[in-house]
Amino acid sequence: ILNVEQSPQSLHVQEGDSTNFTCSFPSSNFYALHWYRWETAKSPEALFVMTLNGDEKKKGRISATLNTKEGYSYLYIKGSQPEDSATYLCALRNSGNTPLVFGKGTRLSVIA
Amino acid sequence: DTAVSQTPKYLVTQMGNDKSIKCEQNLGHDTMYWYKQDSKKFLKIMFSYNNKELIINETVPNRFSPKSPDKAHLNLHINSLELGDSAVYFCASSPVEIGNTIYFGEGSWLTVV
Repeated sequence: ILNVEQSPQSLHVQEGDSTNFTCSFPSSNFYALHWYRWETAKSPEALFVMTLNGDEKKKGRISATLNTKEGYSYLYIKGSQPEDSATYLCALRNSGNTPLVFGKGTRLSVIA
Repeated sequence: DTAVSQTPKYLVTQMGNDKSIKCEQNLGHDTMYWYKQDSKKFLKIMFSYNNKELIINETVPNRFSPKSPDKAHLNLHINSLELGDSAVYFCASSPVEIGNTIYFGEGSWLTVV
């Protein structure tokens, strides 16, 4: 069974702080890692798809890194804003034909 | 324009009833999915269809039956609803390409009473 772990489970930060959280996964049979941002009652929104070891991706104040050899990815948010409050989901795919396996997510609350 | 739309968004129904959740995508994707958010808040795959053909069918009760009338639609029928079926069900779609992003609907909140 493919196991995707995310930590911490929840996080509270002050507006303006930078923060990061972790996604861990089995390093064998890696195909792609996805990050999603999910606000309650809305669609999970795709942030990044990462496929290569050492990948770094950036979208505005949010960036992510990938280490497939040791089986982890970090998501960074620089200068957190209240609108960044959401659950951030990491999902792994271990081949082109298999579905995404999701972690439980990290719930971020940014306090103004 | 909603890329992946599912209806209804909220559904409250009694045990034993049969209900359907509809899903449509206007992205031209070949693959569609149903995911369930379980009680532990995991999003878990239920079914995956590629060009109207079932390619993944995870271990779900056979009371759940997906139907894909065409490439843009994947409906979920649930027979003889049970209390444990209460969950949020997400429809999604993706192109068949390396590194493909999966696009999700907003979810359908099903409550069985």
